[in-house]
Amino acid sequence: EVQLVQSGAEVKKPGESLKIPCKGSGYSFSSYWIGWVRQMPGKGLEWMGIIYPGDSDTKYSPSFQGQVTISADKSISTAYLQWSSLKASDSAMYYCARLQGRWLRSPFDYWGQGSLVTVSS
Amino acid sequence: EIVLTQSPGTLSLSPGERATLSCRASQSVSSNYLAWYQQKPGQAPRLLIYGASSRATGIPDRFSASGSGTDFTLTISRLEPEDFAVYYCQQYGSSPWTFGQGTKVEI
Repeated sequence: EVQLVQSGAEVKKPGESLKIPCKGSGYSFSSYWIGWVRQMPGKGLEWMGIIYPGDSDTKYSPSFQGQVTISADKSISTAYLQWSSLKASDSAMYYCARLQGRWLRSPFDYWGQGSLVTVSS
Repeated sequence: EIVLTQSPGTLSLSPGERATLSCRASQSVSSNYLAWYQQKPGQAPRLLIYGASSRATGIPDRFSASGSGTDFTLTISRLEPEDFAVYYCQQYGSSPWTFGQGTKVEI
């Protein structure tokens, strides 16, 4: 069974750093793109970026380029979303999701349960 | 960037009724790379439709979708109580992939 497991809620202060994981299981983690999607409170879905764990090829939405870093460690089947200096406006639910196919032009077929990030002083 | 506009914002219907949701793209969606997702409160989105009209695994046949180019439609033939949720369209043909703002189907 394909599963993507994310960490629970994180509470941070502005300016702090954070790296949230997404651990895949039940499939060949290295062979499928993993993406990140933001959902701000009460709002819609925003595509942030995507990584191919096999070679760490990464693509970002222009809206998030330079604001976050997406990475992956295929040896432990885990993708990451990272901030170096959080802002209050980063408070949101963050989902990781796997692409259905092994190529970029695929929808997300499996989703993690989400990681709620709260940034507050 | 392709902007997807969903309408209506909210659809108020009763169980057993038909729901028709629209997704319009600001430019043609390459090869009909258009998906629909369902999201219930407190849950992650679930893939319903991909390739504009193909149902994902395990999706009941009361869900159907059509469209091409810039105009796409999701239809729920007879609403079940569990279908009341928010629905998003997404294009994955042109980077950056983008989502519509969502349509809420409520009782």
